[in-house]
Amino acid sequence: QKEVEQNSGPLSVPEGAIASLNCTYSDRVSQSFFWYRQYSGKSPELIMSIYSNGDKEDGRFTAQLNKASQYVSLLIRDSQPSDSATYLCAVESNYQLIWGAGTKLIIKP
Amino acid sequence: DAEITQSPRHKITETGRQVTLACHQTWNHNNMFWYRQDLGHGLRLIHYSYGVQDTNKGEVSDGYSVSRSNTEDLPLTLESAASSQTSVYFCASSTGTFNEQFFGPGTRLTVL
Repeated sequence: QKEVEQNSGPLSVPEGAIASLNCTYSDRVSQSFFWYRQYSGKSPELIMSIYSNGDKEDGRFTAQLNKASQYVSLLIRDSQPSDSATYLCAVESNYQLIWGAGTKLIIKP
Repeated sequence: DAEITQSPRHKITETGRQVTLACHQTWNHNNMFWYRQDLGHGLRLIHYSYGVQDTNKGEVSDGYSVSRSNTEDLPLTLESAASSQTSVYFCASSTGTFNEQFFGPGTRLTVL
């Protein structure tokens, strides 16, 4: 059974600080990795995708991938109260997405 | 604008009844997926389809069925609803195997 693990949180971060979210996965041959944000009562929305080792930056968001360690992370710089949400890590495995249970992030004003 | 819609958004039904949840996408995506989301669990795959007439079972397919007669629609049927099927159901679509999935707004189903 392929797995994706995330710390459920909640992770509390002061406004303006860097929020760091982590995800580990079990399938060594996975090729695609995604971070989704889900506000309470809403559907998941894609915020970042990453396919190769290293960092990928998009505005205040940076995704980091280390395939050797089977680890993917999401950094949110200059955290805002509107970033408070649950962040879901999804990893491609055998042509499907395997989902972590999500990390709840709370940004304190 | 292209979108993915689900109906109904909320549904209350009784144990043993047949229920069908609709999913319609105008992205022209080949791939469509049904998930359920419960507290403490990530999204769990129920069924998926890679094209017309193609359907496949996911991790939690027991008690559910789907059919794909066109590109736009993938209805999910609960043959005989059970209280364990009370959940939030999301439909999603994608262009390709390794591509990101886009989600509908969800259907909250309560089985009494």
